[in-house]
Amino acid sequence: DTGVSQDPRHKITKRGQNVTFRCDPISEHNRLYWYRQTLGQGPEFLTYFQNEAQLEKSRLLSDRFSAERPKGSFSTLEIQRTEQGDSAMYLCASSGLGGIEQFFGPGTRLTVL
Amino acid sequence: AQTVTQSQPEMSVQEAETVTLSCTYDTSESDYYLFWYKQPPSRQMILVIRQEAYKQQNATENRFSVNFQKAAKSFSLKISDSQLGDAAMYFCAYRITMEYGNKLVFGAGTILRVKS
Repeated sequence: DTGVSQDPRHKITKRGQNVTFRCDPISEHNRLYWYRQTLGQGPEFLTYFQNEAQLEKSRLLSDRFSAERPKGSFSTLEIQRTEQGDSAMYLCASSGLGGIEQFFGPGTRLTVL
Repeated sequence: AQTVTQSQPEMSVQEAETVTLSCTYDTSESDYYLFWYKQPPSRQMILVIRQEAYKQQNATENRFSVNFQKAAKSFSLKISDSQLGDAAMYFCAYRITMEYGNKLVFGAGTILRVKS
């Protein structure tokens, strides 16, 4: 049994570059969430998918951010033209349709130089 | 808007002793879920315990228990017989129901240090 996995675990990039992160949820989970966690803070909700449909987006998700979940399986989060303020841990979580608990992945730590 | 407040940035406890982490929240809903998540250093976040608001009985999971005071909107976590492995960041979270699903709102977290 595998939990939520995320790739890469760490990413260092230069300001202005594009980056893409991947999340693989628990296989039977049809709900997938992205959160962002800055140093010393709790995670903040970014966006939510049910199957392949993106049903909720936070105001934190600027135009430079885009998330997809083709075929309702894995999801990608892309950040275009990265800024230093994008440096954070990006967490993915998944849950079943009737599930109460969200299961979190290990996160991708992004550092923008 | 629902908010979650953890007023203790850092707590310390001696091994085998008991510690209580505080959490307050603000909501106008009558039925909701509250959670405590643990995030060890460089490791993923895991659920410690959850509480359904309609249940009057406080949740318990082995050494972990909560004191849920609905009227006061308070949700504290008690860790008994603290162990070195309990050292982590602890987050209190409230589940918000959205039109097509739900999301979690987290507090800022409390770092728990366990001294041997």
